[in-house]
Amino acid sequence: DAGITQSPRHKVTETGTPVTLRCHQTENHRYMYWYRQDPGHGLRLIHYSYGVKDTDKGEVSDGYSVSRSKTEDFLLTLESATSSQTSVYFCAISESRGKEKLFFGSGTQLSVL
Amino acid sequence: AQTVTQSQPEMSVQEAETVTLSCTYDTSENNYYLFWYKQPPSRQMILVIRQEAYKQQNATENRFSVNFQKAAKSFSLKISDSQLGDTAMYFCAFIASSNTGKLIFGQGTTLQVKP
Repeated sequence: DAGITQSPRHKVTETGTPVTLRCHQTENHRYMYWYRQDPGHGLRLIHYSYGVKDTDKGEVSDGYSVSRSKTEDFLLTLESATSSQTSVYFCAISESRGKEKLFFGSGTQLSVL
Repeated sequence: AQTVTQSQPEMSVQEAETVTLSCTYDTSENNYYLFWYKQPPSRQMILVIRQEAYKQQNATENRFSVNFQKAAKSFSLKISDSQLGDTAMYFCAFIASSNTGKLIFGQGTTLQVKP
C-alpha cells in the first residue's frame, strides 16, 4: 500500500472554528489532492498540488485553502468551518500527470456542529 | 463540462454469480482514462481497474473486466464469480489527459453480495 497518512482520522468541531487536516506521504510523489465525499455526489476535488508551493483549485474550493511547504505534506484548512463542510475528506497522491493512478489515504471524518 | 453518471444507486447479486455495474460519461476530449474504484466499509479507496481510451481492448483484472464503448461513452464493470468480499461501493471515474488532478467521479453504486 502507498504510504499515505491522514490526520486526524475523526474530528468534531463547532461552526466558525478553524480546522486543519493533514496529509503526509512517504512515496515522494509530486501530485497531491484533497477530495471530499458526500452521499449522492461521489468524490469531488477541493484543491490539488503539482509541486511544493504549487497548488490549484478544484471544483468545490470555496471555504478551503491548502498549503504545501514540503513534498511530503499537504494541508487542508477550513478557515471558519460550516455545517455544509461536514464530510469525509480524502487525500490522494499520484506520481505522474495524465495517467492519474491515484492512491488514497484512509480519510478523515469531519463533523461540524 | 465533463460528467460521470452511475445510474444504479444500489445493486445486489448472489455469491458466485456475475453482475454488471453501469457507467456513462460525457466529454469532448479524445485522450482520457477511466477507472473503477472500490470502497468497502473500511472506507479505503481501492483501484479495481483502469482503461486507457486509446486502447480498444477492454481491460481485465482477474474476476473484474470492463466493457468500454468509446462511441457510446459507456464504461461498465463486470464482476464474475462474485464473492462476499466484493460487497462495497463502486465508483466510476474519468480524467482527461490534459487535466492534471481533475479526476471526476460518478455518484457511486452500492453492491451487496448475498450468500
